[in-house]
Amino acid sequence: DAGVIQSPRHEVTEMGQEVTLRCKPISGHNSLFWYRQTMMRGLELLIYFNNNVPIDDSGMPEDRFSAKMPNASFSTLKIQPSEPRDSAVYFCATQGGDLNTIYFGEGSWLTVV
Amino acid sequence: AQSVTQLDSHVSVSEGTPVLLRCNYSSSYSPSLFWYVQHPNKGLQLLLKYTSAATLVKGINGFEAEFKKSETSFHLTKPSAHMSDAAEYFCVVSGNNQGGKLIFGQGTELSVKP
Repeated sequence: DAGVIQSPRHEVTEMGQEVTLRCKPISGHNSLFWYRQTMMRGLELLIYFNNNVPIDDSGMPEDRFSAKMPNASFSTLKIQPSEPRDSAVYFCATQGGDLNTIYFGEGSWLTVV
Repeated sequence: AQSVTQLDSHVSVSEGTPVLLRCNYSSSYSPSLFWYVQHPNKGLQLLLKYTSAATLVKGINGFEAEFKKSETSFHLTKPSAHMSDAAEYFCVVSGNNQGGKLIFGQGTELSVKP
C-alpha cells in the first residue's frame, strides 16, 4: 500500500497567489481529513469528509480556504488568495475499516512570502 | 468534550536510559487513545493505540503505554532510548461520537543524548 500521498511536498509562493494542495487517500478509506500544523497552534483539524461529503468544516479559518473531494481517490485544499500567515505544514490523513486509526501523509510544506 | 494534555513540552534523556512521556486526557465518553510520532520533516506515524481492550498497550519500536482510568492518564514509556527515538510525540484522544476526529496534544519533543 502506497499510503496517503500528498503533493506538492514543498511550495513557496508569493502573497496573493492561489495555492492548491492535493491528496490521494489510501484505497478503500472512506474518511479524509485535512490538518494544519504550525509552531504556535500545533495540529489543527481544518475539515473532514466522509464518503466524499464534507462533514465538519468548522476548522477552516476563513473564506480564503476551500476543500473538495470530487471522488473517493482525490481531494484538494485551496487557498485563494494566500497570505504569509498561511505558511504551515498541511497534512492529509485518511481512515478506513479500522475505526479510529488515522493514517497521515508526509505533509505539504507551504511558505507564503 | 475531549481534551488531552501533554505535561512536558520537552524531554531529554541519555541513550540507553528509560523514556517517560506523560499524557492526561479528559473525555465524556469511553475514549480511544493514541500516540503518534513525528520525525523531522516527516508525517505522523502511529506508535500504538488503546481502544478499550488491554490497558497495557504495546507499540512499535519497543514503546508501550498504560491506560489508567482512575488517573485519566496514558503515559508512553520505553525501557531504553535509542538515538533514532529523537522526535516529536503526540498524545491523541478520539471519542466514540467524534466520527473519527482526533484531538491532539501540543506534543513533546524527545531529545536523546549519546
